[in-house]
Parts: sequence; structure tokens; C-alpha cells
Amino acid sequence: EAGVAQSPRYKIIEKRQSVAFWCNPISGHATLYWYQQILGQGPKLLIQFQNNGVVDDSQLPKDRFSAERLKGVDSTLKIQPAKLEDSAVYLCASSLLGQGRYEQYFGPGTRLTVT
Amino acid sequence: EDKVVQSPLSLVVHEGDTVTLNCSYEVTNFRSLLWYKQEKKAPTFLFMLTSSGIEKKSGRLSSILDKKELFSILNITATQTGDSAIYLCAVLTLNTGNQFYFGTGTSLTVIP
Repeated sequence: EAGVAQSPRYKIIEKRQSVAFWCNPISGHATLYWYQQILGQGPKLLIQFQNNGVVDDSQLPKDRFSAERLKGVDSTLKIQPAKLEDSAVYLCASSLLGQGRYEQYFGPGTRLTVT
Repeated sequence: EDKVVQSPLSLVVHEGDTVTLNCSYEVTNFRSLLWYKQEKKAPTFLFMLTSSGIEKKSGRLSSILDKKELFSILNITATQTGDSAIYLCAVLTLNTGNQFYFGTGTSLTVIP
């Protein structure tokens, strides 16, 4: 089966600019996650979708970050305006979350550098 | 506050050595604990543990969960250079739509 797709793979922007990331989960996976992974740290959950509804966005900096999952499939994560501390890898993951299958499958990530 | 702590933070061993990685957790509404291997890109799934005392094994890797003492270990025997990676522990809870909490990872380097 095809894995989780993400684009772009790399992005360099200046602070105060905006950026958007795209994710296409594994077909049939209702749950989609966006994580931020700063170098040397574990992934930190930004937002979790179940189909096209938000389940948890408690750690999403809503003044600058937004995400949507229209039609319950693809998702986009946007940062506007970006800050230096947003430099990180942004990982998208999907999961069945049910029938005993809770493991997440991760995409290759987008490495964002804010200068 | 829910948290997952991994130790050691980093480890350097020689090929053929056996290593043990630790993961302890304090979470509400625990469901399962998962181990991932992260090389230069995205984490890949290794094991999911839900019940205490039942070892999961895949080749040279094995893992076990202790729900009483709230920890898990990941063992790698006869290490190879290809085992060099960051090993992440994540705890899945029943909180608000099944939340995952990740540890900071253990960086393993295997020297030839």
C-alpha cells in the first residue's frame, strides 16, 4: 500500500513569511496527525483529525498556525507569520485507530528552516 | 501532566553488543506503548505493547511492558551498524480521541 505522502520535503523561508505543508494519508486511515519535531526532541503533537473533524488542537499555536482537512482525506498545515523557533521537521502521520490497530504511519516530513 | 521519559539519551556501542533502552511513563488513561525507529527520516513502527509481561519479538529486537512499574524496555541483541538510529517511545492514551505522547528518544550509534 502507498505510504503517507508529504510535500514539500524542504522549505526555507524568512521570518514573518507564510508557508504551507500538504499531507495525503494512507487510504482508509480516518485519523491524521501533524507533529512538530525540533532537533534533538521527540515529535510534539500539533493537531489531530478524525475524518474532517478536529479531535485535539490544544498544542497548536493558533495565533500563527492553522490546519484543515477538507473532505476527510488530504490535510494542509499553514504557518503565518513564521518565527525563527518554527524551524523544525513537520511530520504527518495517519492511523486506523481501531480494530486493535493503533500504530501510526509517518510521512517523510517537511524540514522547515526559518531565517 | 502526562509525560514519557526515555533513557539513556544517547548510547554508543560496538557491533555485536547488546543494548537495553528504557522508557518510563506517567499518563492518565493508558492504552498502549509503542516503539519507533527513526533514522534520517520519518519514524517507522516497531512494536505495540498493551499487556504487561508479554514480550514482543522481531528478529534481534524485543520489548516488554511493565504496567505496574510504568515502564518498558527495548532490547537489541548482536547490534549492527544498521541499528544506528533514534529510538522513540510513544504512549497512547484514551484521552480526547486517543492521544499519543512521545519521549525525546534514545540516540543509538553502533560502531563497526
